[in-house]
Amino acid sequence: QLQLRESGPGLVKSSETLSLTCIVSGGSINSGFDYWGWVRQPPGKGLEWIGSIYSYSGSTYYNPSLKNRITISVDTSKNHYFLKLSSVTAADTSVYYCATTRGYSYPVDYWGQGTLVTVSS
Amino acid sequence: QSVLTQPPSVSGAPGQRVTISCTGSSSNIGANYDVHWYQQVAGAAPKLLIYGNNNRPSGVPDRFSGSKSGTSASLAITGLQAEDEAHYYCQSYDRSLSNVVFGGGTKLTVL
Repeated sequence: QLQLRESGPGLVKSSETLSLTCIVSGGSINSGFDYWGWVRQPPGKGLEWIGSIYSYSGSTYYNPSLKNRITISVDTSKNHYFLKLSSVTAADTSVYYCATTRGYSYPVDYWGQGTLVTVSS
Repeated sequence: QSVLTQPPSVSGAPGQRVTISCTGSSSNIGANYDVHWYQQVAGAAPKLLIYGNNNRPSGVPDRFSGSKSGTSASLAITGLQAEDEAHYYCQSYDRSLSNVVFGGGTKLTVL
């Protein structure tokens, strides 16, 4: 059973870069069948797709509204993948979830437990 | 403002049937992209409830069903139970935005 777990600081200062790691277990991140992504949810609000990476090719797919600030990358040797979101503001305060799908029109098959990241001024 | 529109809240008594709508446009649901539904209870990650418009993952009761027509989709829950109280989200893909999109979410209250 695939498991995803988010890791990273719970507090980031405004204008700095948010960095999170998703630790994948129970399966290989380099299987070639999955897109490894991130979803966020501001407190009390709905879900927002951030982006994903196809580990087999390294191709990335970003939410256009966040594209200039996002970098998603992967370390297949560690079975981890990463999110970096630059120039954060209070609006980026959210629970961030690891999420994996088989493609852009497929559902999220597996979710991490989520990690709250608060942006402070 | 979400690309997919859901009612903010619905409610029903135990045993009743409720439906949650998800309205999109010709660039997402109407473009024949699949709709998926998730259930999120307070403090937990979303859980896949319906995939590919009307398919249930293993373990999801058949009280939950999905449908799609034109630019809209619906989630129906029959035999409402207290444990169904949660937020429900629809998801699809939007070709104009080139992005995965979610509905704004619907809070289901079991009276």
